[in-house]
Amino acid sequence: NAGVTQTPKFQVLKTGQSMTLQCAQDMNHNSMYWYRQDPGMGLRLIYYSASEGTTDKGEVPNGYNVSRLNKREFSLRLESAAPSQTSVYFCASKPVGYEQYFGPGTRLTVT
Amino acid sequence: GESVGLHLPTLSVQEGDNSIINCAYSNSASDYFIWYKQESGKGPQFIIDIRSNMDKRQGQRVTVLLNKTVKHLSLQIAATQPGDSAVYFCAEGTDSWGKLQFGAGTQVVVTP
Repeated sequence: NAGVTQTPKFQVLKTGQSMTLQCAQDMNHNSMYWYRQDPGMGLRLIYYSASEGTTDKGEVPNGYNVSRLNKREFSLRLESAAPSQTSVYFCASKPVGYEQYFGPGTRLTVT
Repeated sequence: GESVGLHLPTLSVQEGDNSIINCAYSNSASDYFIWYKQESGKGPQFIIDIRSNMDKRQGQRVTVLLNKTVKHLSLQIAATQPGDSAVYFCAEGTDSWGKLQFGAGTQVVVTP
């Protein structure tokens, strides 16, 4: 099993550009999550999907949209990137229980 | 594990000693708590969790203690090894959807 995979690993955008971060899991988990992590800080929840077909806002959803394409895939879209969105983005998935499994992250820089 | 902005609290521990990492949580209604380990350039990795109706839980070389009276959580690592060098986060959860509130983290540095 690959676990949780994320693409791309690194990305540089100019202000105003758009992009989609991809996430996939092969563990048959129902719930999936998108977090951002800024230097010296913990992770903050952007959006989550408790099950296929549902999505909900987390703590910091402004400027982002998500799509739960199917049970495996959960994408995060930045429609018009801003320098404040420079961060490391992590996707996670969760079966029944508390443990979330995290991907390796996407390091995004917006200039 | 108090939040200090860009500069993480750092715990320096000698190899073989025991480590204690502390975390103050904010929500007295939190139902469960989780400790994660994050190595440089990687995603967080689950270590151990504890429900709010428990005071102590043990895993392999790790023990988590929960003091609800003062809203304090600690992670004890026995016989700390170089591979334990990482940033450690506590997280609290209040619902079944898995939404977590993370602390700022503590950097653990293991010295030979």
